[in-house]
Amino acid sequence: QKEVEQNSGPLSVPEGAIASLNCTYSDRGSQSFFWYRQYSGKSPELIMFIYSNGDKEDGRFTAQLNKASQYVSLLIRDSQPSDSATYLCAVMETGTASKLTFGTGTRLQVTL
Amino acid sequence: SAVISQKPSRDICQRGTSLTIQCQVDSQVTMMFWYRQQPGQSLTLIATANQGSEATYESGFVIDKFPISRPNLTFSTLTVSNMSPEDSSIYLCSVDSQGQGAVGYTFGSGTRLTVV
Repeated sequence: QKEVEQNSGPLSVPEGAIASLNCTYSDRGSQSFFWYRQYSGKSPELIMFIYSNGDKEDGRFTAQLNKASQYVSLLIRDSQPSDSATYLCAVMETGTASKLTFGTGTRLQVTL
Repeated sequence: SAVISQKPSRDICQRGTSLTIQCQVDSQVTMMFWYRQQPGQSLTLIATANQGSEATYESGFVIDKFPISRPNLTFSTLTVSNMSPEDSSIYLCSVDSQGQGAVGYTFGSGTRLTVV
């Protein structure tokens, strides 16, 4: 069974610090990787996607992918209280009708 | 990216009854996905719905319990049948936004179901 693992947290970081969220996946055939943010009581919202090894930056967010280690991470720079949410890692394998497998999510708390 | 209207947003239902959840997309999409998110848990895929064909169900989910309709490229329904308290969850529809000018998946606002 394909698995996506995340530390459930909570991960607590002070305002202005860098938050580092990690995710590992079991299926080496995985091709596409997504990070979603989910506020309590809301539906998931796509933040970042990454396909290639290395870093991808978008504003305060950086996604990092290492396919050899089957590891993907999300860095949030200059963390704000509004970043407090659950962050879901999702993995898609090519040829699976574009299904996403989600991790259990990491709850991030940004403290003042 | 696609915009999805999902309804109802919440409902409280008696055990043994059925609830149909609707998702309307503002653009044509090939695949629609139905997820369940149990309290404090992540998202679990129930089934994939393609227009003009039977839905494909994931392990642990069956058509008799979760019948799905996909009459056209912008609409789908999920029915939760013969409900029990264990069906209390948030149900979400999702579409693949690739080809819509955005990459990734967009979710509806969810249906919070409580079975009593």
